Amino acid sequence: NAGVMQNPRHLVRRRGQEARLRCSPMKGHSHVYWYRQLPEEGLKFMVYLQKENIIDESGMPKERFSAEFPKEGPSILRIQQVVRGDSAAYFCASSPYSGTTVIRNEQFFGPGTRLTVL
Amino acid sequence: ELKVEQNPLFLSMQEGKNYTIYCNYSTTSDRLYWYRQDPGKSLESLFVLLSNGAVKQEGRLMASLDTKARLSTLHITAAVHDLSATYFCAVQTLQNQAGTALIFGKGTTLSVSS
Repeated sequence: NAGVMQNPRHLVRRRGQEARLRCSPMKGHSHVYWYRQLPEEGLKFMVYLQKENIIDESGMPKERFSAEFPKEGPSILRIQQVVRGDSAAYFCASSPYSGTTVIRNEQFFGPGTRLTVL
Repeated sequence: ELKVEQNPLFLSMQEGKNYTIYCNYSTTSDRLYWYRQDPGKSLESLFVLLSNGAVKQEGRLMASLDTKARLSTLHITAAVHDLSATYFCAVQTLQNQAGTALIFGKGTTLSVSS
């Protein structure tokens, strides 16, 4: 019964490169959330996705950041042209879904991807 | 806009003594969570509090919720070194039966010394 999986666990990029972070939700979960944690800070919501749909992207920076959750495969958080300020831990969480009603909304967190921009 | 404030942000504890962390939030919420995070690790769910007056206990930790005061407390009884970590409260408001984002406090870093 695997939990939420994220890879890579650590990612180093030079300024201007692209970063791709992957998240596989728990089995049976079709809701995915991405959060960012800056050093010494709490987690900040970025985006909420269901399969093939972005539900809420109110926390996403307007430029360079995008997210997707395709019908098949993991959710991807993509950061283009990274800058030093993007260095942070990025956490993915998933929650279950059943029919047309969300039966539980508790979010289960993955281990995170720690992005370092040189 | 929903805001969550924790205090204190840092807490140096002595083994065997009792302490309390406070979590205030600004608007009506459906659920309140407490998480623990060890350095460089992910978040571990401790408690989910759903209703006014809810109280949950696990070992030396006890969490309570007062929705009228918009306040949750995490009480630590007889602190031990193993409790050293950062503790976050997070608030969630459910809309349209769909899950929504968690809004986190800044966290309280606990350090237990002998």
